[in-house]
Amino acid sequence: NAGVTQTPKFQVLKTGQSMTLQCAQDMNHEYMSWYRQDPGMGLRLIHYSVGAGITDQGEVPNGYNVSRSTTEDFPLRLLSAAPSQTSVYFCASSYSATRVGARSYNEQFFGPGTRLTVL
Amino acid sequence: KQEVTQIPAALSVPEGENLVLNCSFTDSAIYNLQWFRQDPGKGLTSLLLIQSSQREQTSGRLNASLDKSSGRSTLYIAASQPGDSATYLCAVRRGSGNTGKLIFGQGTTLQVKP
Repeated sequence: NAGVTQTPKFQVLKTGQSMTLQCAQDMNHEYMSWYRQDPGMGLRLIHYSVGAGITDQGEVPNGYNVSRSTTEDFPLRLLSAAPSQTSVYFCASSYSATRVGARSYNEQFFGPGTRLTVL
Repeated sequence: KQEVTQIPAALSVPEGENLVLNCSFTDSAIYNLQWFRQDPGKGLTSLLLIQSSQREQTSGRLNASLDKSSGRSTLYIAASQPGDSATYLCAVRRGSGNTGKLIFGQGTTLQVKP
């Protein structure tokens, strides 16, 4: 398994540009989430999904859109980039809490991150 | 609102020392608690996960404990090595766990000196 993959690894945008951060997982996980990590702020939840076709907002959703058309993919769209969106973005996935069995079913797995700079 | 706090923010120890990292949370209604390691410029690597019904989990030199009633978890690292130098994050999964959302602490940055 490739686990959780993210592209690109690095990106530089100008203010006002739009782009999509890609996230994919091959573990058949129901749950997928996007976090941003900023110095002094820790990791904060942007958006999350509990299954294909279902998304919801996290702690800091403004300026971002998501969709979940398949179980495997959960792209994050920046509509009009702002310098405040300069951050490192992490995608995560896990099985649903309704699955029972091994401890690892509830473990969250993270991608390698995308480092975004908005000028 | 669930808040997660990690103390200390930074820790420097000589190689070979046993050490404890602390994590506290304000709402005891958690689904599970997960400890992660993050190396500079890298992603998060899961170390240990403790379900709300469990008291501790062990993996090699690592032992994590959970006291839900007092809102505390500790990560014990035995016989520390320079390769253990990293930032350690704890995160709680809330309530019934049916959203997968995690609340993170700010992390403890550990330096193990040879």
